[in-house]
Amino acid sequence: QQQVKQSPQSLIVQKGGISIINCAYENTAFDYFPWYQQFPGKGPALLIAIRPDVSEKKEGRFTISFNKSAKQFSLHIMDSQPGDSATYFCAASGGGGNKLTFGTGTQLKVEL
Amino acid sequence: GAVVSQHPSWVICKSGTSVKIECRSLDFQATTMFWYRQFPKQSLMLMATSNEGSKATYEQGVEKDKFLINHASLTLSTLTVTSAHPEDSSFYICSARIGTGNQPQHFGDGTRLSIL
Repeated sequence: QQQVKQSPQSLIVQKGGISIINCAYENTAFDYFPWYQQFPGKGPALLIAIRPDVSEKKEGRFTISFNKSAKQFSLHIMDSQPGDSATYFCAASGGGGNKLTFGTGTQLKVEL
Repeated sequence: GAVVSQHPSWVICKSGTSVKIECRSLDFQATTMFWYRQFPKQSLMLMATSNEGSKATYEQGVEKDKFLINHASLTLSTLTVTSAHPEDSSFYICSARIGTGNQPQHFGDGTRLSIL
């Protein structure tokens, strides 16, 4: 029940296109859903996060869509750029301890 | 803001030695810090939660005598890998949380540990 399932495992998008990464969770106690971006040899950097009281949050080219009834949330990267090429992790926390449970990661490559 | 510094960034040592990794929150006080381990092309696995002034809480399967965690101040937590062996080679990452409750975690840049 603590799992967060993430798909796809890898993604190739053309420059200027939209990158979409999906996550699903089971634990209804989760109430905080961040997305992290990780470059090789670096720690994850917080991109954007959402709480279940809203269905969408946008920050620049990054948008989180959240569907509470389906227990799913997704990251949309608009106008994808080669510099966006990285591994993206969704995560969730809530309930006791507020520990983050991470998804399995998506390796994004944006081609010219 | 919310900068977390981790040191060293890379360490190579012989089997049997102990290695200490430091995690500092540079511009905020962190009541809680977390230690993760990440294998190549895999996700982050939480090892332990560290609260300032108290004993760390370890995740199931993590040997607390192997991975010693100290959180002596609101800006510093350390992870010591004792009697390290090649199977301990991994990427270790810390994070720090501002305040309590369900708040964002900010991550350091990790430490690449290689045991020969």
